[in-house]
Amino acid sequence: GQSLEQPSEVTAVEGAIVQINCTYQTSGFYGLSWYQQHDGGAPTFLSYNALDGLEETGRFSSFLSRSDSYGYLLLQELQMKDSASYFCAVEADSWGKLQFGAGTQVVVTP
Amino acid sequence: EAGVTQFPSHSVIEKGQTVTLRCDPISGHDNLYWYRRVMGKEIKFLLHFVKESKQDESGMPNNRFLAERTGGTYSTLKVQPAELEDSGVYFCASSQETTRPSGYTFGSGTRLTVV
Repeated sequence: GQSLEQPSEVTAVEGAIVQINCTYQTSGFYGLSWYQQHDGGAPTFLSYNALDGLEETGRFSSFLSRSDSYGYLLLQELQMKDSASYFCAVEADSWGKLQFGAGTQVVVTP
Repeated sequence: EAGVTQFPSHSVIEKGQTVTLRCDPISGHDNLYWYRRVMGKEIKFLLHFVKESKQDESGMPNNRFLAERTGGTYSTLKVQPAELEDSGVYFCASSQETTRPSGYTFGSGTRLTVV
């Protein structure tokens, strides 16, 4: 079957760097996305990788290795407001049909 | 630019009743998606509209769920009759094909509780 695996929780202090890994097993692959969700809010798009390599957007970077079916989200210079759930999502069957991981709860402490 | 709007934000209904959720996508977005997160589980795809046409409804759990998008604008998702296992958060998202890879804009969801 198809699956995405990511850690359930990560705790780090303000100013630290956190890496959230995502491994996937899907029948097809168009791209890997990352979304952030604060409690009760809408999932918010962070980044997208269709090709191998690193994409950088401010303090957040995302990496993809299609040969390893693996990607990660890197959060740098952690701030308290970064405490949230982070989801990796693969478009496996078609554009727009996102298959989500279970989410990683990031807890930032002072 | 207004975001994706969903209402109601919360709904509590009894088993066997009918509930209709509404989603207003970003103006001009032809693609509209419904997703659902059942407690403690992954966010799962339900269906995809392109304008008023159903492009993919492979994620719809059963025939108690009916989605429509009249005129290619807002969409409704009706659950009739509701069962306990339908409880969860229902998200709507929209996108423009031409703006990839900017991702999909999600609404804040409707939290449905069936008692």
